[in-house]
Amino acid sequence: DADVTQTPRNRITKTGKRIMLECSQTKGHDRMYWYRQDPGLGLQLIYYSFDVKDINKGEISDGYSVSRQAQAKFSLSLESAIPNQTALYFCATSDSTGIHNEQFFGPGTRLTVL
Amino acid sequence: GIQVEQSPPDLILQEGANSTLRCNFSDSVNNLQWFHQNPWGQLINLFYIPSGTKQNGRLSATTVATERYSLLYISSSQTTDSGVYFCAVERKSSGDKLTFGTGTRLAVRP
Repeated sequence: DADVTQTPRNRITKTGKRIMLECSQTKGHDRMYWYRQDPGLGLQLIYYSFDVKDINKGEISDGYSVSRQAQAKFSLSLESAIPNQTALYFCATSDSTGIHNEQFFGPGTRLTVL
Repeated sequence: GIQVEQSPPDLILQEGANSTLRCNFSDSVNNLQWFHQNPWGQLINLFYIPSGTKQNGRLSATTVATERYSLLYISSSQTTDSGVYFCAVERKSSGDKLTFGTGTRLAVRP
């Protein structure tokens, strides 16, 4: 079974709709992240959470919100989706207590906003 | 913020050829990772290598932190190596946030 899972894997929605993307992990890591990837580009950080009570904005947080419901769950919401939020979204985790702060990524959610 | 530049942007190889991908970064780093994004979009961890040299099968990587660059070597390339290779770094004092380069797109022809 995958250590980091994302649901849904693909989603098509319309402008103005509210969308939630979910991420779950079984790695026992305390840190979780949301990134987006636009075609032909690298990933950009949207939000990150170092524990359940700690939420921080990344480079491109406008238009997004997050919720860390438990150590293993981190969800990303688009309150009112717009077409330029069409992208591939990745969740990632890392372990602050380990020797390495290596990040591990989920399989991605492909979101299309019409 | 920290700048991450990868070269070349695109690379076409014949199966069996070797290649070197480069990542330059503009500041001191705590973390440097190499990823392979396959044609299905999945990101696969290749190396965690803030300094030194590591090898994993046909792949190896070297990071010279004092000179702010990292190299990824692919030997005896296979068609399954096709995809995009990303370098990502965490600047010291940036609090565990990765900054990604724009990637090297590799196509291996049979």
